[in-house]
Amino acid sequence: ETGVTQSPTHLIKTRGQQVTLRCSSQSGHNTVSWYQQALGQGPQFIFQYYREEENGRGNFPPRFSGLQFPNYSSELNVNALELDDSALYLCASSGRGWEQFFGPGTRLTVL
Amino acid sequence: RKEVEQDPGPFNVPEGATVAFNCTYSNSASQSFFWYRQDCRKEPKLLMSVYSSGNEDGRFTAQLNRASQYISLLIRDSKLSDSATYLCVVNGASKIIFGSGTRLSIRP
Repeated sequence: ETGVTQSPTHLIKTRGQQVTLRCSSQSGHNTVSWYQQALGQGPQFIFQYYREEENGRGNFPPRFSGLQFPNYSSELNVNALELDDSALYLCASSGRGWEQFFGPGTRLTVL
Repeated sequence: RKEVEQDPGPFNVPEGATVAFNCTYSNSASQSFFWYRQDCRKEPKLLMSVYSSGNEDGRFTAQLNRASQYISLLIRDSKLSDSATYLCVVNGASKIIFGSGTRLSIRP
């Protein structure tokens, strides 16, 4: 086990709603990255937080936003949900090195 | 052109075979490289880091070729438990890019 936890495990929302996903990083890690993984695809980088600041962002619209807290846990918020947002959302924590350790993911279904 | 490209496979090989995957990347300024393994409906797990000098971990060998901008993974004496999707990862400035993954299936 990596020590990275995510909640909830599964979530069903309808189009237009908002969702918040949560991630607790591994002890000693100060960086959290979020990914979206559609079926049959590799994870797509959404953004990364380092010490509570956004440290990099992939090609996702502004309705994908995040936060990192002083204990380095993190949230991913998605507004105005679209059907294509249905995916597995993964968070990964990392320490001083670049190696990332993933949580089990949250499976989001948008109806 | 994708920033990171992988052969999607699937590779279907017998137990005991040697199998190799490649992954090419387009950004010459990329800084670090990894291979991850992902089992069906599970999260990716770090397999190994990749260095220009090459590195080996048991039956697994990874290599980085900066001049040609590709990384490789070699699995020797493959086991049934090696069946999974293998993902290459390229880290650049404030961006982390996964390949789409190569599916490997080992048959008895």
